Amino acid sequence: DAKTTQPNSMESNEEEPVHLPCNHSTISGTDYIHWYRQLPSQGPEYVIHGLTSNVNNRMASLAIAEDRKSSTLILHRATLRDAAVYYCIPRVRHFGNEKLTFGTGTRLTIIP
Amino acid sequence: DAGVTQSPTHLIKTRGQHVTLRCSPISGHKSVSWYQQVLGQGPQFIFQYYEKEERGRGNFPDRFSARQFPNYSSELNVNALLLGDSALYLCASSSTGENYNEQFFGPGTRLTVL
Repeated sequence: DAKTTQPNSMESNEEEPVHLPCNHSTISGTDYIHWYRQLPSQGPEYVIHGLTSNVNNRMASLAIAEDRKSSTLILHRATLRDAAVYYCIPRVRHFGNEKLTFGTGTRLTIIP
Repeated sequence: DAGVTQSPTHLIKTRGQHVTLRCSPISGHKSVSWYQQVLGQGPQFIFQYYEKEERGRGNFPDRFSARQFPNYSSELNVNALLLGDSALYLCASSSTGENYNEQFFGPGTRLTVL
């Protein structure tokens, strides 16, 4: 599994954009980059995933570096509900292996 | 539609005992995975089952076992409990078992071993 490096914690003001970085320099060419988050006292939930190009969905945007060695999860307008631990997870694409390898993630605190 | 459900919510056991945790996937999902989350760490993969067959196993001792039933629900069994087995046990389901699919997690079962 590719190794990831994320800041242990970050803070952001409510209603401002948040950029959560992830380094995954050992990622292979076919690994997708997935992001999950875990709100307090809940199981993780899927946020977004991508391979090479930038991706957008209703929750967030994912910006992937051209060399794919890093990516950034962007929350366009943080709310208090976005306070969570965010995990960046490279995933090998092949059938039958659904294992998610979680690191320690980034704990995001939103300041009202 | 109901999400992934797990039972019980909380459980207290003593060392050496056995425990069974249960998981019901989202309707229509055929793949179930189990994770262990120790306080302060990210979840660690234990098992994946798809169509009642084991598809993956993490680095856990043989005291941990699981199975999936014809209705795709699943049980995780842990024998000879140790203090270090105290953790949040998470179940996740997905539709096809293919690894790039989104996984849906339940709220977890909090196991405390005394």
